[in-house]
Amino acid sequence: AQRVTQPEKLLSVFKGAPVELKCNYSYSGSPELFWYVQYSRQRLQLLLRHISRESIKGFTADLNKGETSFHLKKPFAQEEDSAMYYCALSGYNQGGKLIFGQGTELSVKP
Amino acid sequence: DAGVTQSPTHLIKTRGQQVTLRCSPKSGHDTVSWYQQALGQGPQFIFQYYEEEERQRGNFPDRFSGHQFPNYSSELNVNALLLGDSALYLCASRGRGGRVNTEAFFGQGTRLTVV
Repeated sequence: AQRVTQPEKLLSVFKGAPVELKCNYSYSGSPELFWYVQYSRQRLQLLLRHISRESIKGFTADLNKGETSFHLKKPFAQEEDSAMYYCALSGYNQGGKLIFGQGTELSVKP
Repeated sequence: DAGVTQSPTHLIKTRGQQVTLRCSPKSGHDTVSWYQQALGQGPQFIFQYYEEEERQRGNFPDRFSGHQFPNYSSELNVNALLLGDSALYLCASRGRGGRVNTEAFFGQGTRLTVV
């Protein structure tokens, strides 16, 4: 079965603390993994994807095929990072269909 | 570029009625996907349109149907509405035939409430 699991509904940290949002997936084949973010009153937008291997707004994510995980990390959280974060998966033969996790709300307190 | 635009933003319908939601893709995009997002859940894929044809479909009943027009805009139709159809409906567009490695841009969504 194709599935994305985000075990935490809410993650609350203080400004300057490290952040790790967990994402595990189940997929038979070669998946492409993404993190999408939704800031308050804004639309869902792509944060980063594993094939780009880039850091966006200080966030990084590494695809671990052995553990089937794609955790999102940031060494020092900022208040403006507060948002809903969704991990998503797509297969190379899926024509762009995205399978989303349930989302994790990140709250960064001052 | 206004990006992906959806209309209406909010809608209230009665159980059993039919509803049509509309989406205009981002300029230059030719592929449109629809997602249903129930409260507290992640978006769930409904279907994708490219070249005016449904190319992929998620696990949704036939009550959910769609259309894509020559200008790449799209409609989502839901017949015989159920209370459980209440959700935020998101439209996403991609360029170049919806290949996986092109970024999906999302609209603000249409909030449908079925009473």
